[in-house]
Amino acid sequence: NAGVTQTPKFRILKIGQSMTLQCAQDMNHNYMYWYRQDPGMGLKLIYYSVGAGITDKGEVPNGYNVSRSTTEYFPLRLELAAPSQTSVYFCASSYSKDGQPQHFGDGTRLSIL
Amino acid sequence: AQSVSQHNHHVILSEAASLELGCNYSYGGTVNLFWYVQYPGQHLQLLLKYFSGDPLVKGIKGFEAEFIKSKFSFNLRKPSVQWSDTAEYFCAVNAVSGGYNKLIFGAGTRLAVHP
Repeated sequence: NAGVTQTPKFRILKIGQSMTLQCAQDMNHNYMYWYRQDPGMGLKLIYYSVGAGITDKGEVPNGYNVSRSTTEYFPLRLELAAPSQTSVYFCASSYSKDGQPQHFGDGTRLSIL
Repeated sequence: AQSVSQHNHHVILSEAASLELGCNYSYGGTVNLFWYVQYPGQHLQLLLKYFSGDPLVKGIKGFEAEFIKSKFSFNLRKPSVQWSDTAEYFCAVNAVSGGYNKLIFGAGTRLAVHP
């Protein structure tokens, strides 16, 4: 199993550009998540999805959008990149039941210049 | 609001030293508790988890953690660390809420083990 796959691994954007971070999982997990990781701040939840067609905001959703048309894919979109969005982004997935561990992708390191 | 506190941001140890990383959470209800590890340049991996039962939980690579409900704590321990344990460690709490598997992460503790 590939688990959770994120692309790209690295990206540099100019301020105001847009891009989509891709995330796919092959474990048939209902729940998927996007986090950003900043030094000394742990992981902050951006958006999550409890199933295809259902998404909701996490702690830090401003400047981002998501969609979940299928169980497998959960892309994260930045419409107008800002320097504050420079971060490492992790996608994760899990079964829906409380307490099931989340499985993480390898991350996307994004720099906005 | 739920929160997770990790007491030490940076820990430096020599090989064979004992390790204890603190984790406290704020939530009065039922919780599931996790420790994740992130090796340099890699994604987060589950180290161990507590759902219920024996409060002393054993994980991979010789790590263990003890859930003390009265102290809202879930400290991570290892009797003898190795250089390969150099990584960042995250405590996470899932407040059991009937279906929403939301994790709250601590800020992380960066461990450096010197040979």
